[in-house]
Amino acid sequence: EPEVTQTPSHQVTQMGQEVILRCVPISNHLYFYWYRQILGQKVEFLVSFYNNEISEKSEIFDDQFSVERPDGSNFTLKIRSTKLEDSAMYFCASSGQPNTEAFFGQGTRLTVV
Amino acid sequence: KNEVEQSPQNLTAQEGEFITINCSYSVGISALHWLQQHPGGGIVSLFMLSSGKKKHGRLIATINIQEKHSSLHITASHPRDSAVYICAVRVKGNYGQNFVFGPGTRLSVLP
Repeated sequence: EPEVTQTPSHQVTQMGQEVILRCVPISNHLYFYWYRQILGQKVEFLVSFYNNEISEKSEIFDDQFSVERPDGSNFTLKIRSTKLEDSAMYFCASSGQPNTEAFFGQGTRLTVV
Repeated sequence: KNEVEQSPQNLTAQEGEFITINCSYSVGISALHWLQQHPGGGIVSLFMLSSGKKKHGRLIATINIQEKHSSLHITASHPRDSAVYICAVRVKGNYGQNFVFGPGTRLSVLP
């Protein structure tokens, strides 16, 4: 069964450092998403990406965040200068159509120290 | 501000029991999504619905748009159903997968 894969599964970084979280969406999907879940809290939508552009983003997705599809298979989330409050589980998801069910990756746990 | 509420917050059941998890929300929506989050953190989509009822195996999801309420039912529950079940809504005017998530219901099914 096709799946969304995320790497790494856990990343520890120092405050102020840049991190890149990587995702390989399902191969024939065209719509890509990032979500985050701070420990013990609700899942939150960050951004939607389609046709090499951000199609929608939340208030959380400020200038320190960026997304990119650098090649035909990867979809990345970059956090430019990490803060302690960026520590969370980050989930990537993809869907074939914008309004159909999305498939989620297993998440990357980011710990900022 | 749209809030998505779920009840109960925690639920413990014996294997074989029929389980109901409830979700209510406060604004108009275009879709509602039920998801399962495994103990390791991974998320699996269960259903997306905008009206009526959907069934998949032992899982049934219903939605009442007028009452702004949805239920997820699990028949003949099994220990492997133990997980956090999350309701998420797409507010009318939003698009795609921009969902507002509920706090989740933690289900434990005991053998």
